[in-house]
Amino acid sequence: DAKTTQPPSMDCAEGRAANLPCNHSTISGNEYVYWYRQIHSQGPQYIIHGLKNNETNEMASLIITEDRKSSTLILPHATLRDTAVYYCIVSLGSKGNAGNMLTFGGGTRLMVKP
Amino acid sequence: NAGVTQTPKFQVLKTGQSMTLQCAQDMNHNSMYWYRQDPGMGLRLIYYSASEGTTDKGEVPNGYNVSRLNKREFSLRLESAAPSQTSVYFCASSEVRGFNTEAFFGQGTRLTVV
Repeated sequence: DAKTTQPPSMDCAEGRAANLPCNHSTISGNEYVYWYRQIHSQGPQYIIHGLKNNETNEMASLIITEDRKSSTLILPHATLRDTAVYYCIVSLGSKGNAGNMLTFGGGTRLMVKP
Repeated sequence: NAGVTQTPKFQVLKTGQSMTLQCAQDMNHNSMYWYRQDPGMGLRLIYYSASEGTTDKGEVPNGYNVSRLNKREFSLRLESAAPSQTSVYFCASSEVRGFNTEAFFGQGTRLTVV
């Protein structure tokens, strides 16, 4: 699985958009980009994933560059409850009958401030 | 709607003692995983089970054994605990469904080895 590079920390004002970047320059054609977050040592929580196209759900938007070498997770209106460590992961969703091996890096610690 | 349940939530062991961490999921998922997370670090995969009856080593398997008891349950055993195994242990499960798998995590077991 391709490795990812994320800034170790970011701040964001409450109510503003939080834009979290991720570089994955060695991504292969059939690897997906996944985003998870971990709030205060709880179990990680799935946010969103994508392959080529931009994706949006009730939690966030995922923008993937055309060359797929980087992506940005957007939280449109950050709240204090969005303070967490955000992990960008590149992985095959499955390998035939094999499970989804997620390799976590250090992530980005997002601090949302009042 | 329990999701992924881990027991116990907290445990203190003496060096050399053994114990089994239990994990059960009620989502009928094929794949299950065990991760450990050391303070200030990302999650590292210990073992995973792609489907009932199969297990494979992850990134840091030394000192651990696993058993996929049935489709619901995946246990992690420490035969002779060492202080280096002090960590938070997370169990996860996911469905193998093409490439679009989302992993669900338990709330963790906080293990201290003294």
